[in-house]
Amino acid sequence: DAGVTQSPTHLIKTRGQQVTLRCSPKSGHDTVSWYQQALGQGPQFIFQYYEEEERQRGNFPDRFSGHQFPNYSSELNVNALLLGDSALYLCASSVRGLTDTQYFGPGTRLTVL
Amino acid sequence: AQKITQTQPGMFVQEKEAVTLDCTYDTSDPSYGLFWYKQPSSGEMIFLIYQGSYDQQNATEGRYSLNFQKARKSANLVISASQLGDSAMYFCAMREARSGGATNKLIFGTGTLLAVQP
Repeated sequence: DAGVTQSPTHLIKTRGQQVTLRCSPKSGHDTVSWYQQALGQGPQFIFQYYEEEERQRGNFPDRFSGHQFPNYSSELNVNALLLGDSALYLCASSVRGLTDTQYFGPGTRLTVL
Repeated sequence: AQKITQTQPGMFVQEKEAVTLDCTYDTSDPSYGLFWYKQPSSGEMIFLIYQGSYDQQNATEGRYSLNFQKARKSANLVISASQLGDSAMYFCAMREARSGGATNKLIFGTGTLLAVQP
């Protein structure tokens, strides 16, 4: 049973560029959530997709956008990159159930120069 | 407002001993879930254990147990018989009741870095 997968593993961009990160959920999961984890901090919720719609959003600017596809995979797009966007981006998948546990992928480490 | 507090930035424990990692939370929602995740240096967040707000008994998963004290709003993680491979960052997280039919977001604490010494 494949877990959550993310690509790419690492990414280096320069300020002002745009980036797309990808996530495939765990088999049987239909909800994808994205988190940003800056160095030395806990993950911060960006947004969540369910039934191909953004259902919840954290305190992130509109430069952060996303999409969910019919196969439940998801993309996170960040426009006009800032130095402060450098972080580990974690994708988590879940399915409605007793615990609603979110399972995380290995993350994409984004460095903005 | 929802909040998770982890007051121990770092902890040391001797191999084979037990260790308790502290977590307190704040929420006005009567239905919530509490989670502990382990994050090794590789970066992946590994789910360890879950406790629901209405669960009558403390959760256990192998060497992990959760000391849930609802009145005190605390959900401490106990790791028994520590192993060298337990050295990692540990995060406590909370989610409130579902919103719009989907799983709700997680709110994380700042984490505790555990070092297991041989």
